[in-house]
Amino acid sequence: ETGVTQTPRHLVMGMTNKKSLKCEQHLGHNAMYWYKQSAKKPLELMFVYNFKEQTENNSVPSRFSPECPNSSHLFLHLHTLQPEDSALYLCASSRRDSTDTQYFGPGTRLTVL
Amino acid sequence: TQLLEQSPQFLSIQEGENLTVYCNSSSVFSSLQWYRQEPGEGPVLLVTVVTGGEVKKLKRLTFQFGDARKDSSLHITAAQPGDTGLYLCAGEFQAGTALIFGKGTTLSVSS
Repeated sequence: ETGVTQTPRHLVMGMTNKKSLKCEQHLGHNAMYWYKQSAKKPLELMFVYNFKEQTENNSVPSRFSPECPNSSHLFLHLHTLQPEDSALYLCASSRRDSTDTQYFGPGTRLTVL
Repeated sequence: TQLLEQSPQFLSIQEGENLTVYCNSSSVFSSLQWYRQEPGEGPVLLVTVVTGGEVKKLKRLTFQFGDARKDSSLHITAAQPGDTGLYLCAGEFQAGTALIFGKGTTLSVSS
């Protein structure tokens, strides 16, 4: 309904697994974002892509690897994660113009065992 | 570091009561947004304010942007159980820069 979809909605993985999160936006926006939301913490911006180019990387560990093949798709590749990486991972998109109104997907609830 | 403080952090009220949530910073926002998030879902945009002193209404929700564009408030009149959720404010300190989010206010409205 919001125009931003995320798959899978839930993911359980072991620390040695490799998995990917997918985000797709149908709003014609040029910027896409990955956020991490943990309990009792503010939303943490992880990565920003504008016109497929990464413009921000907020000191995210290399075990998180983003990929943006075009303005409508964004991936987050995960490998050798830690239990503390368990969180809700949210994707958002925006026009990135004078007001950066962001539209969020439903998120992927990730549990790392 | 530009911080964005929200208060209160938690609010538990009865149906029919009024409430106000605050969002404050020592810096000036170029724009500010309010979102509502339900458990297990992503935040949903409620409103964007850009002009100092601006007031916007969305049914029983009233949003106000401070004259100096450093603070904002969300007032809910006659709260209903359906208003339960996490309310987030997010500010853009410079046009074109990434949003900074507050920690949110968790609202619980019981019938």
